[in-house]
Amino acid sequence: QQQVKQSPQSLIVQKGGISIINCAYENTAFDYFPWYQQFPGKGPALLIAIRPDVSEKKEGRFTISFNKSAKQFSLHIMDSQPGDSATYFCAGGSYNNNDMRFGAGTRLTVKP
Amino acid sequence: DGGITQSPKYLFRKEGQNVTLSCEQNLNHDAMYWYRQDPGQGLRLIYYSQIVNDFQKGDIAEGYSVSREKKESFPLTVTSAQKNPTAFYLCASSIVGGPYGYTFGSGTRLTVV
Repeated sequence: QQQVKQSPQSLIVQKGGISIINCAYENTAFDYFPWYQQFPGKGPALLIAIRPDVSEKKEGRFTISFNKSAKQFSLHIMDSQPGDSATYFCAGGSYNNNDMRFGAGTRLTVKP
Repeated sequence: DGGITQSPKYLFRKEGQNVTLSCEQNLNHDAMYWYRQDPGQGLRLIYYSQIVNDFQKGDIAEGYSVSREKKESFPLTVTSAQKNPTAFYLCASSIVGGPYGYTFGSGTRLTVV
C-alpha cells in the first residue's frame, strides 16, 4: 500500500525559478516528515524535515509547508539552481523510525 | 568519518545464484534497513532490524534474507527465489526513538546476467 503519494513524477524548472513538489499521506500516526535528495548513483541524503506541530520550516532556499488537516506537505526550492537537479523523496514516519514510508520520488531538472 | 559503507558498488548475478550485499555502519545506530529502488517506484522496504539478532520483514521480503550478528553489520542475501532481482539496493541506519531520519549508504546496483 502506498501510504505517501508524491507528485509530480518529474519536473523541469528554469534556473532562478521555484520548484514545488507535493506529497500526501494517509497514516495519521506519522509524526515526522523528511525530504531526501538523491543524486544519480548515490544514496538519498536528508535535506530537511518537519514535525506536524508546525506549518512551515525553512532552511536556506528549501522550505517545507505542512497542512495537517489536509494531510499534505510540500517542498519549495527557491531560486532553483542546476546543482539542485536530483531526485527528491518525501517520507512519513514515526519517532520510532522503524517504519518510514517513502513517496515514489520526483526527478527535478533545473535548466541553466 | 562516520557513515555507512555498502559493497560492492556493482554486482552481477547469474541465474540461480545467491549473492550477498554488504552493509557496514560506524554511526553506532541501533536500527538498520534494506531498501530496493526501482525506477518510478521509490524506495520499498525489504527488511529492517532494530537490535542485534532480531530483524523484521518489510513489504517485499520474499526472495531475500538477512542477518544481524553485529550492531555494525546487516548483510542482505538475494536468493535464487527472487525472480526479478535487478535493482538498486540501499542500506540505511538510524537511531531508534528519535526524529533523526535515516543515513543511507551509496547503494549497490545488482544486475542479473
